[in-house]
Amino acid sequence: AQSVTQLDSQVPVFEEAPVELRCNYSSSVSVYLFWYVQYPNQGLQLLLKYLSGSTLVKGINGFEAEFNKSQTSFHLRKPSVHISDTAEYFCAVSDPAGFQKLVFGTGTRLLVSP
Amino acid sequence: ETGVTQSPTHLIKTRGQQVTLRCSSQSGHNTVSWYQQALGQGPQFIFQYYREEENGRGNFPPRFSGLQFPNYSSELNVNALELDDSALYLCASSPGLAGDLLAETQYFGPGTRLLVL
Repeated sequence: AQSVTQLDSQVPVFEEAPVELRCNYSSSVSVYLFWYVQYPNQGLQLLLKYLSGSTLVKGINGFEAEFNKSQTSFHLRKPSVHISDTAEYFCAVSDPAGFQKLVFGTGTRLLVSP
Repeated sequence: ETGVTQSPTHLIKTRGQQVTLRCSSQSGHNTVSWYQQALGQGPQFIFQYYREEENGRGNFPPRFSGLQFPNYSSELNVNALELDDSALYLCASSPGLAGDLLAETQYFGPGTRLLVL
């Protein structure tokens, strides 16, 4: 069975500072990895995904993530955050050999203050 | 904007009642999945449909059921509502099936928030 751990439930940061949101996964098979963002009272929007190829993945809104197989991690980074990045961020995995069941972490709330 | 819509946006029901939630996927998206997101939690997979057939199911009881129609719309039905069913229900569509890289990106709708009293 697969699982996702997002170690930080909340990350406060000042505007224009860099940020890293951590995600670790557990799986006995290879996985696909995703980061989704959820703004208040909205659904989920895909930020980026890793399916294969380069381990450094660039997404929308200036976010990027690096897949580290040896550490089973897929941390999300942004070099300079904006107030508008305040939202809930979810890391998710799926099994390439199975159907598209996404297993989500519990989420990290990013709070950007001026 | 993902092109996935859900209705209603909010719903209040009482314990024991039945509810139907609706989702409209993008044209050409043959796969639809439903997720339950309790307050403060990540979404939990309920089930998935591909071309009108159930293709996989999570750890939810049989009172959670679904339908998918040829016009890319789908329904989630929940019978005998319980207080713990209060949650945001999300549908997500994708253009293919497992094994197809195009299918690995799921596009989520805005959700239906269900409150069971």
